[in-house]
Amino acid sequence: NAGVMQNPRHLVRRRGQEARLRCSPMKGHSHVYWYRQLPEEGLKFMVYLQKENIIDESGMPKERFSAEFPKEGPSILRIQQVVRGDSAAYFCATSRGREGLNTEAFFGQGTRLTVV
Amino acid sequence: AQKITQTQPGMFVQEKEAVTLDCTYDTSDQSYGLFWYKQPSSGEMIFLIYQGSYDEQNATEGRYSLNFQKARKSANLVISASQLGDSAMYFCAMREGRSNYQLIWGAGTKLIIKP
Repeated sequence: NAGVMQNPRHLVRRRGQEARLRCSPMKGHSHVYWYRQLPEEGLKFMVYLQKENIIDESGMPKERFSAEFPKEGPSILRIQQVVRGDSAAYFCATSRGREGLNTEAFFGQGTRLTVV
Repeated sequence: AQKITQTQPGMFVQEKEAVTLDCTYDTSDQSYGLFWYKQPSSGEMIFLIYQGSYDEQNATEGRYSLNFQKARKSANLVISASQLGDSAMYFCAMREGRSNYQLIWGAGTKLIIKP
């Protein structure tokens, strides 16, 4: 859905560099969900954030990955010291409130991270 | 055990024919939701259709309909009058009652429409 904006669309990083992925929610949405899609697979849940709060990060790797959703600005998914296995498409989805991904679930266009 | 199973890795269908993409699911929750998404080669994830577990009618959206058979735990996507632009990966996903944001996804079916 055009309302959820992710950038960059494509990101190339060398091993050991940092990757920062941004997700700007649809207007009026204050809940963000990040998912990762490895090649040839469906999406896997990573983290759920509200403004200034991490609600559920059970799908996030414990090391090198972090996420934030500040009071102002987009949600950021940060991957430190990237490795080849981090190469994937990262999607975010947003919702207005705690109804979550209910009757409709709109995703951004994704960021394709390639680690070389 | 797989929560969402899509048994067709790939399908070829003649243009203008109807196509059914299979999806079976596994949950013990009474309340759940089922989604279908289309992912064209450009990579974005496009929402197609949603079916709630308590919905009595099968969901329809234009050329898309969901054949929901609760007892069999299947939620097949039917695309009528297929078009070349329907060529894409199709994913089935489920939201279980205890989580309203963790969608569980199948591995997808690659659909190719032949002219």
